[in-house]
Amino acid sequence: DAKTTQPTSMDCAEGRAANLPCNHSTISGNEYVYWYRQIHSQGPQYIIHGLKNNETNEMASLIITEDRKSSTLILPHATLRDTAVYYCIVRVVNSGGSNYKLTFGKGTLLTVNP
Amino acid sequence: SAVISQKPSRDICQRGTSLTIQCQVDSQVTMMFWYRQQPGQSLTLIATANQGSEATYESGFVIDKFPISRPNLTFSTLTVSNMSPEDSSIYLCSETLGLGVFFGQGTRLTVV
Repeated sequence: DAKTTQPTSMDCAEGRAANLPCNHSTISGNEYVYWYRQIHSQGPQYIIHGLKNNETNEMASLIITEDRKSSTLILPHATLRDTAVYYCIVRVVNSGGSNYKLTFGKGTLLTVNP
Repeated sequence: SAVISQKPSRDICQRGTSLTIQCQVDSQVTMMFWYRQQPGQSLTLIATANQGSEATYESGFVIDKFPISRPNLTFSTLTVSNMSPEDSSIYLCSETLGLGVFFGQGTRLTVV
């Protein structure tokens, strides 16, 4: 079962920041937070991941609360092409093979409006 | 990230037949994964494919229905056997490279 909770859907105006929340209250110390998105009919696209520090890359920023029980993905200037389902996933990262898998929940459908 | 190529990108198959989906990665990776995405649903992991050993299947998926091969560190196949319309889905392979997990574009299968 997915270990995260996300809103089913969100809207955002084009050019504004999109802030997508995720709750992962049972996260373990060796679990990372990953974000993916899936644009209709395409394979999931990796966005960003983090352990406990905030992270930023060319696509987005990831803000993780100090207690690590929740996080927010920020798309700083949303465009129409950012309309997609966004998945927040916690993933164990260690030397064990099976722990590398990603378990997907239902995600958040972000609709960017003109 | 590694580049992942899946073939075919889509197919329409008759019930009772089998389809083998190929997944090619442009670098050597330890683990590859096969997922299924039924219409309107999220992704469900079918199995983990390690080179040199049998695949590890998730609950609800069996080797007879979804045999997997992993002959080397850059290639894997998933076969959907004895297909029925309920097997109509997108099938995706993914690989892990370091902390990243990356996906192919998927194979859209329609069983008629």
